[in-house]
Amino acid sequence: EDQVTQSPEALRLQEGESSSLNCSYTVSGLRGLFWYRQDPGKGPEFLFTLYSAGEEKEKERLKATLTKKESFLHITAPKPEDSATYLCASGWADDKIIFGKGTRLHILP
Amino acid sequence: DTAVSQTPKYLVTQMGNDKSIKCEQNLGHDTMYWYKQDSKKFLKIMFSYNNKELIINETVPNRFSPKSPDKAHLNLHINSLELGDSAVYFCASSQGSEGATYEQFFGPGTRLTVL
Repeated sequence: EDQVTQSPEALRLQEGESSSLNCSYTVSGLRGLFWYRQDPGKGPEFLFTLYSAGEEKEKERLKATLTKKESFLHITAPKPEDSATYLCASGWADDKIIFGKGTRLHILP
Repeated sequence: DTAVSQTPKYLVTQMGNDKSIKCEQNLGHDTMYWYKQDSKKFLKIMFSYNNKELIINETVPNRFSPKSPDKAHLNLHINSLELGDSAVYFCASSQGSEGATYEQFFGPGTRLTVL
C-alpha cells in the first residue's frame, strides 16, 4: 500500500537549534514530493516541490532534499515564527496524492 | 486578492441535514480538489476535478457529491450529515491536468460541526 510517513510527530527546539524533519515514502512512479507548512486554523501553504533524487531546494532557513526513498526538510537556526505543522505529500503516476500526518514543530524563544 | 476562497468558514448543523460548501479560485488553474482534515490533522484527498471533469474519487460515501459549474468553482454538497462528517474541509487548486505534479494552493478551510 502506498504510504507517506513523517517523523518525528512533534519536535521542540530552542531558537537557533538546527534540525531535520523526515518524510519517507513507499511506492514507485513518484511524480512529485511536496512540502507544505500549515499554521493553526489555516490551510496548508506550499513550500517546495522536488521531482528527482538528488534535488535540493532552499528558501530562507529551510532546505528540502530528496532521495529515492525519503525527503528531508532541514531547518537552520530556526526562529519562533517557524513554529507550525510541516506536511509532506507525494504525487503518483495515477494522479493520486497522499499526505503524511505532519510534524508539529515548536521553536522556543 | 484571495487566491482560493471557501464559504462558509464555519458550519454548525444537526445530524441528518443537507449542507453545501462553496469554493472559488481566481488563479486560472485547471484542477481543483476537496480534502478532509480530521481531528488528528490528517489531510486526505476526497475528489479532484480537471476542467469540470471528475478525475479522482477516493473512497468517500456517496452522500458527498462534488459539483463543478465551471473551471473556477468546485462545490461540495453533503446529504444526510453524520457525526463522523465533523472535520475541516479544504478546497485546493493546481495548474495543469496532472494534479500530482504541481503544487496546490489551499483555501482557508471550512470547519464543519455536526451535532
